[in-house]
Amino acid sequence: DIVMTQSPDSLAVSLGERATINCKSSQSVLYSSDNKNYLAWYQQKPGQPPKLLIYWASTRESGVPDRFSGSGSGTDFTLTISSLQAEDVAVYYCHQYYTTQWTFGQGTKLEIK
Amino acid sequence: EVQLVESGGGLVKPGGSLRLSCAASGFTFSHAWMIWVRQAPGKGLEWVGRIKSKAEGGTTDYAAPVKGRFIISRDDSENTLYLQMNSLKAEDTAVYYCQFTNHAPAFVDYWGQGTLVTVSS
Repeated sequence: DIVMTQSPDSLAVSLGERATINCKSSQSVLYSSDNKNYLAWYQQKPGQPPKLLIYWASTRESGVPDRFSGSGSGTDFTLTISSLQAEDVAVYYCHQYYTTQWTFGQGTKLEIK
Repeated sequence: EVQLVESGGGLVKPGGSLRLSCAASGFTFSHAWMIWVRQAPGKGLEWVGRIKSKAEGGTTDYAAPVKGRFIISRDDSENTLYLQMNSLKAEDTAVYYCQFTNHAPAFVDYWGQGTLVTVSS
């Protein structure tokens, strides 16, 4: 199985500041035949199911604010929130759908400083 | 509107069995790959398994911790996904989510609200 490792486990950022979450996969999730990274980012708030933010590593889901962006390729990926808002407090997960056994990172808890 | 509604959760003793259901609507269920994801209390997301559409073989894949104990099936005539859980362990205690995701031609992703399974004596 591909192991997804996120860093940090938790993060406290001031309102209006940038938040950066990293995700590293134990093997590449870049599919050579279509040149796509099979990597998504989810946001989960307490008591709610996860919400898709980013897919194909950098494509923002419809309706997701443009302060959210994804980058990276191969094995190293980043989710960036350019200007943190109060409603962004949540746990964030990276997720690979490259292999037959899909896996999630352990999650990063984002709080307001 | 896509809706996924899980049911069947509850309290079960270690070694017991439980079957979860996920009633789907708002999309062509028979064409969909359907997934189960779980989340232990206070913990992260764990992918449980997936069933492909019958047109793509209807095959299943499972995460290592549940392989051989859990069975995913589907009834396309009833637009319902199932998760048969056998030989349950305390570590299977979790909220179980049903997920519909499709990657082509457009990327779509929907989740149910989840159903809680508690394995305890």
